Amino acid sequence: DSGVTQTPKHLITATGQRVTLRCSPRSGDLSVYWYQQSLDQGLQFLIHYYNGEERAKGNILERFSAQQFPDLHSELNLSSLELGDSALYFCASSVSDLRTEAFFGQGTRLTVV
Amino acid sequence: AQSVTQLDSHVSVSEGTPVLLRCNYSSSYSPSLFWYVQHPNKGLQLLLKYTSAATLVKGINGFEAEFKKSETSFHLTKPSAHMSDAAEYFCVVSEGSSGNTGKLIFGQGTTLQVKP
Repeated sequence: DSGVTQTPKHLITATGQRVTLRCSPRSGDLSVYWYQQSLDQGLQFLIHYYNGEERAKGNILERFSAQQFPDLHSELNLSSLELGDSALYFCASSVSDLRTEAFFGQGTRLTVV
Repeated sequence: AQSVTQLDSHVSVSEGTPVLLRCNYSSSYSPSLFWYVQHPNKGLQLLLKYTSAATLVKGINGFEAEFKKSETSFHLTKPSAHMSDAAEYFCVVSEGSSGNTGKLIFGQGTTLQVKP
Protein backbone atom coordinates (compact mmCIF):
# COMPACT_ATOMS: atom_id res chain seq x y z
CA ASP A 1 0.00 0.00 0.00
CA SER A 2 1.56 3.26 -1.19
CA GLY A 3 -0.52 5.48 1.09
CA VAL A 4 -2.04 7.30 -1.89
CA THR A 5 -5.79 6.84 -2.15
CA GLN A 6 -7.77 7.27 -5.34
CA THR A 7 -11.52 7.12 -5.69
CA PRO A 8 -13.45 5.72 -7.38
CA LYS A 9 -11.58 2.63 -8.59
CA HIS A 10 -13.84 2.18 -11.59
CA LEU A 11 -16.09 4.59 -13.43
CA ILE A 12 -18.33 3.95 -16.40
CA THR A 13 -20.01 6.92 -17.98
CA ALA A 14 -21.50 8.08 -21.27
CA THR A 15 -20.02 10.37 -23.87
CA GLY A 16 -20.58 14.04 -23.17
CA GLN A 17 -20.71 13.56 -19.42
CA ARG A 18 -18.49 15.03 -16.70
CA VAL A 19 -16.71 13.12 -13.96
CA THR A 20 -14.48 13.95 -11.00
CA LEU A 21 -11.60 11.79 -9.87
CA ARG A 22 -10.28 12.21 -6.38
CA CYS A 23 -6.83 11.71 -4.91
CA SER A 24 -5.61 11.82 -1.32
CA PRO A 25 -1.81 12.00 -1.13
CA ARG A 26 0.40 10.31 1.42
CA SER A 27 0.50 12.05 4.75
CA GLY A 28 3.09 14.83 4.60
CA ASP A 29 3.39 14.90 0.81
CA LEU A 30 2.89 18.32 -0.74
CA SER A 31 3.08 17.38 -4.43
CA VAL A 32 0.33 15.70 -6.40
CA TYR A 33 0.78 14.53 -9.99
CA TRP A 34 -1.84 13.21 -12.38
CA TYR A 35 -1.04 10.75 -15.17
CA GLN A 36 -3.10 9.07 -17.86
CA GLN A 37 -2.28 5.56 -19.00
CA SER A 38 -3.67 4.23 -22.25
CA LEU A 39 -2.60 1.40 -24.52
CA ASP A 40 -1.62 3.65 -27.42
CA GLN A 41 -0.08 6.58 -25.51
CA GLY A 42 1.54 4.86 -22.54
CA LEU A 43 1.89 6.88 -19.35
CA GLN A 44 1.40 10.57 -20.01
CA PHE A 45 1.92 13.35 -17.50
CA LEU A 46 -1.13 15.58 -17.13
CA ILE A 47 -0.52 18.11 -14.36
CA HIS A 48 1.49 18.78 -11.18
CA TYR A 49 0.39 20.66 -8.09
CA TYR A 50 2.62 21.60 -5.20
CA ASN A 51 1.07 22.85 -1.97
CA GLY A 52 -2.00 24.12 -3.81
CA GLU A 53 -0.11 25.80 -6.65
CA GLU A 54 -0.02 24.53 -10.22
CA ARG A 55 3.58 23.79 -11.16
CA ALA A 56 3.47 22.17 -14.56
CA LYS A 57 1.06 21.10 -17.25
CA GLY A 58 1.61 18.28 -19.64
CA ASN A 59 -0.62 16.82 -22.30
CA ILE A 60 -3.81 17.85 -20.57
CA LEU A 61 -6.81 18.63 -22.73
CA GLU A 62 -8.73 21.87 -22.26
CA ARG A 63 -11.75 19.76 -21.30
CA PHE A 64 -9.78 18.54 -18.29
CA SER A 65 -8.98 20.56 -15.20
CA ALA A 66 -7.55 19.89 -11.78
CA GLN A 67 -7.06 21.54 -8.45
CA GLN A 68 -5.39 20.88 -5.14
CA PHE A 69 -7.26 21.89 -2.02
CA PRO A 70 -5.92 23.33 1.26
CA ASP A 71 -6.00 19.86 2.83
CA LEU A 72 -3.77 18.78 -0.11
CA HIS A 73 -6.19 16.36 -1.69
CA SER A 74 -6.64 16.83 -5.40
CA GLU A 75 -9.42 16.41 -7.92
CA LEU A 76 -9.21 15.87 -11.66
CA ASN A 77 -12.29 16.98 -13.55
CA LEU A 78 -12.97 15.53 -16.99
CA SER A 79 -15.79 17.03 -19.02
CA SER A 80 -17.45 16.54 -22.41
CA LEU A 81 -16.11 13.03 -22.29
CA GLU A 82 -15.22 11.21 -25.48
CA LEU A 83 -14.62 7.53 -26.15
CA GLY A 84 -10.91 8.24 -26.43
CA ASP A 85 -10.78 9.46 -22.85
CA SER A 86 -11.20 5.90 -21.64
CA ALA A 87 -8.00 5.13 -19.75
CA LEU A 88 -6.44 4.48 -16.38
CA TYR A 89 -5.86 7.69 -14.47
CA PHE A 90 -3.17 7.65 -11.81
CA CYS A 91 -2.44 10.07 -9.05
CA ALA A 92 0.99 10.18 -7.44
CA SER A 93 2.36 12.14 -4.54
CA SER A 94 5.81 13.13 -3.37
CA VAL A 95 7.20 15.00 -0.45
CA SER A 96 8.80 17.81 -2.45
CA ASP A 97 8.46 19.40 -5.86
CA LEU A 98 11.77 18.31 -7.40
CA ARG A 99 13.79 15.17 -8.03
CA THR A 100 12.14 12.87 -5.54
CA GLU A 101 10.37 9.61 -6.11
CA ALA A 102 6.62 9.65 -6.38
CA PHE A 103 4.23 7.14 -4.88
CA PHE A 104 1.28 6.06 -6.97
CA GLY A 105 -2.28 5.25 -6.14
CA GLN A 106 -4.09 2.24 -7.56
CA GLY A 107 -5.66 4.31 -10.29
CA THR A 108 -9.16 5.04 -11.53
CA ARG A 109 -10.22 3.09 -14.58
CA LEU A 110 -12.52 5.29 -16.65
CA THR A 111 -14.64 3.75 -19.35
CA VAL A 112 -16.60 6.06 -21.62
CA VAL A 113 -19.40 4.34 -23.54
CA ALA B 1 14.39 18.03 -22.43
CA GLN B 2 14.62 14.76 -20.60
CA SER B 3 13.54 11.48 -22.18
CA VAL B 4 13.97 7.77 -21.68
CA THR B 5 14.11 4.93 -24.17
CA GLN B 6 13.48 1.37 -23.15
CA LEU B 7 15.24 -0.72 -25.71
CA ASP B 8 13.03 -3.80 -25.48
CA SER B 9 9.26 -3.80 -25.45
CA HIS B 10 9.16 -7.46 -24.42
CA VAL B 11 11.68 -9.68 -22.61
CA SER B 12 11.18 -13.36 -21.94
CA VAL B 13 13.32 -15.36 -19.50
CA SER B 14 13.13 -18.70 -17.78
CA GLU B 15 12.64 -18.88 -14.04
CA GLY B 16 16.00 -18.86 -12.26
CA THR B 17 17.88 -17.14 -15.08
CA PRO B 18 19.15 -13.54 -15.04
CA VAL B 19 17.03 -10.58 -16.02
CA LEU B 20 18.29 -7.56 -17.98
CA LEU B 21 15.95 -4.70 -18.88
CA ARG B 22 17.67 -1.94 -20.83
CA CYS B 23 17.12 1.79 -20.52
CA ASN B 24 18.86 4.79 -22.05
CA TYR B 25 18.13 8.31 -20.96
CA SER B 26 18.63 11.78 -22.31
CA SER B 27 19.06 14.65 -19.90
CA SER B 28 20.62 18.08 -19.94
CA TYR B 29 21.17 17.91 -16.21
CA SER B 30 22.32 15.39 -13.65
CA PRO B 31 19.20 13.27 -13.68
CA SER B 32 17.19 11.45 -11.08
CA LEU B 33 16.32 8.04 -12.46
CA PHE B 34 13.87 5.42 -11.28
CA TRP B 35 12.51 2.03 -12.15
CA TYR B 36 8.86 1.31 -11.44
CA VAL B 37 6.98 -1.97 -11.79
CA GLN B 38 3.32 -2.46 -12.63
CA HIS B 39 1.65 -5.80 -12.08
CA PRO B 40 -1.57 -6.51 -13.99
CA ASN B 41 -4.44 -4.32 -12.83
CA LYS B 42 -2.27 -2.74 -10.15
CA GLY B 43 -0.71 0.63 -9.54
CA LEU B 44 2.94 1.50 -10.03
CA GLN B 45 5.44 0.48 -7.40
CA LEU B 46 8.88 2.02 -6.99
CA LEU B 47 11.63 -0.57 -7.43
CA LEU B 48 14.66 1.64 -6.99
CA LYS B 49 16.01 5.15 -7.51
CA TYR B 50 19.23 6.89 -8.48
CA THR B 51 19.75 10.43 -7.22
CA SER B 52 23.50 11.08 -7.77
CA ALA B 53 24.84 9.04 -4.88
CA ALA B 54 26.22 5.53 -5.54
CA THR B 55 26.09 4.50 -9.20
CA LEU B 56 25.03 0.95 -8.34
CA VAL B 57 21.59 1.11 -6.81
CA LYS B 58 19.90 -1.73 -5.01
CA GLY B 59 16.13 -1.99 -4.91
CA ILE B 60 13.43 -4.26 -3.67
CA ASN B 61 12.95 -7.92 -4.55
CA GLY B 62 16.60 -8.41 -5.54
CA PHE B 63 16.65 -5.89 -8.38
CA GLU B 64 19.49 -3.49 -8.95
CA ALA B 65 20.48 -0.93 -11.57
CA GLU B 66 23.72 0.73 -12.57
CA PHE B 67 23.94 4.36 -13.62
CA LYS B 68 26.51 4.78 -16.40
CA LYS B 69 26.89 8.41 -17.35
CA SER B 70 29.28 7.73 -20.24
CA GLU B 71 26.71 5.42 -21.81
CA THR B 72 23.64 7.37 -20.62
CA SER B 73 22.23 4.07 -19.46
CA PHE B 74 20.37 2.82 -16.41
CA HIS B 75 19.80 -0.88 -16.99
CA LEU B 76 17.83 -3.00 -14.52
CA THR B 77 19.12 -6.43 -13.55
CA LYS B 78 18.26 -9.34 -11.31
CA PRO B 79 20.42 -12.44 -10.90
CA SER B 80 17.59 -14.95 -10.83
CA ALA B 81 14.06 -14.41 -12.12
CA HIS B 82 11.04 -15.52 -10.16
CA MET B 83 7.58 -16.18 -11.55
CA SER B 84 6.25 -13.27 -9.50
CA ASP B 85 8.56 -10.88 -11.41
CA ALA B 86 6.33 -11.11 -14.48
CA ALA B 87 5.04 -7.55 -14.94
CA GLU B 88 5.50 -4.29 -16.84
CA TYR B 89 8.63 -2.32 -15.98
CA PHE B 90 9.09 1.38 -16.55
CA CYS B 91 12.30 3.36 -16.63
CA VAL B 92 11.63 6.91 -15.48
CA VAL B 93 13.51 10.19 -15.37
CA SER B 94 12.56 13.14 -13.22
CA GLU B 95 12.60 16.50 -14.90
CA GLY B 96 13.97 17.89 -11.64
CA SER B 97 16.71 20.50 -11.95
CA SER B 98 15.14 22.47 -14.78
CA GLY B 99 12.00 24.43 -14.16
CA ASN B 100 10.05 23.99 -10.98
CA THR B 101 8.57 20.54 -11.30
CA GLY B 102 9.74 17.05 -10.53
CA LYS B 103 7.33 15.51 -13.01
CA LEU B 104 8.25 12.01 -14.04
CA ILE B 105 8.85 11.13 -17.68
CA PHE B 106 8.14 7.48 -18.43
CA GLY B 107 9.63 5.14 -20.96
CA GLN B 108 7.26 3.04 -23.03
CA GLY B 109 7.65 0.06 -20.73
CA THR B 110 9.09 -3.44 -21.00
CA THR B 111 6.90 -6.47 -20.46
CA LEU B 112 8.80 -9.17 -18.61
CA GLN B 113 7.59 -12.70 -19.15
CA VAL B 114 8.94 -15.45 -16.88
CA LYS B 115 8.59 -19.01 -18.11
CA PRO B 116 8.55 -21.97 -15.74
